[in-house]
Amino acid sequence: DAGVTQSPTHLIKTRGQQVTLRCSPKSGHDTVSWYQQALGQGPQFIFQYYEEEERQRGNFPDRFSGHQFPNYSSELNVNALLLGDSALYLCASSDSGRADTQYFGPGTRLTVL
Amino acid sequence: AQSVTQLDSQVPVFEEAPVELRCNYSSSVSVYLFWYVQYPNQGLQLLLKYLSGSTLVKGINGFEAEFNKSQTSFHLRKPSVHISDTAEYFCAVSDWGGSNYKLTFGKGTLLTVNP
Repeated sequence: DAGVTQSPTHLIKTRGQQVTLRCSPKSGHDTVSWYQQALGQGPQFIFQYYEEEERQRGNFPDRFSGHQFPNYSSELNVNALLLGDSALYLCASSDSGRADTQYFGPGTRLTVL
Repeated sequence: AQSVTQLDSQVPVFEEAPVELRCNYSSSVSVYLFWYVQYPNQGLQLLLKYLSGSTLVKGINGFEAEFNKSQTSFHLRKPSVHISDTAEYFCAVSDWGGSNYKLTFGKGTLLTVNP
């Protein structure tokens, strides 16, 4: 049984560019949440997708957007990249959004130069 | 709004010594509580969770935590640590009930186990 997978593993972009990160949830899970983990910090909630809609959002600007597909996989898009967007982006999947069953992927390391 | 405070940013210990990593939370409603571990260059792995019932929760790798509602704490303990326990540990909280499904994390505690 595959766990949560994310791609790519690492990514380097320059300021002003756009980036798309991808996540496939654990088998049987229908909800995907995205978190940003800056260096030396705990993960911060970006948003959650359930039934192809954004159900809840954290304190992130509109430059951060997402999408969920019918197969429950998800994308995180970040436009107009800033240096401060450099972080580890973690995807977590769960069953119907239950916080007690969130499983995390290995993350995508984004570096903005 | 919820918040989590991990009282120690770094905890160095010697191998086979006991360890306690401290976590306090703030919330206006009842909560679920979690401890996650993150090894270098990896994602988060769930160590244990408190949802309800017994306040002493046992997790993987010999870790346990005790929920103390009056002190709003959820400290993580292990009686004897190994070199392999060296990692970053995160305490997290989530509201139960309602529509709040997100996890709110503390800033983490780096546990370093020395030989």
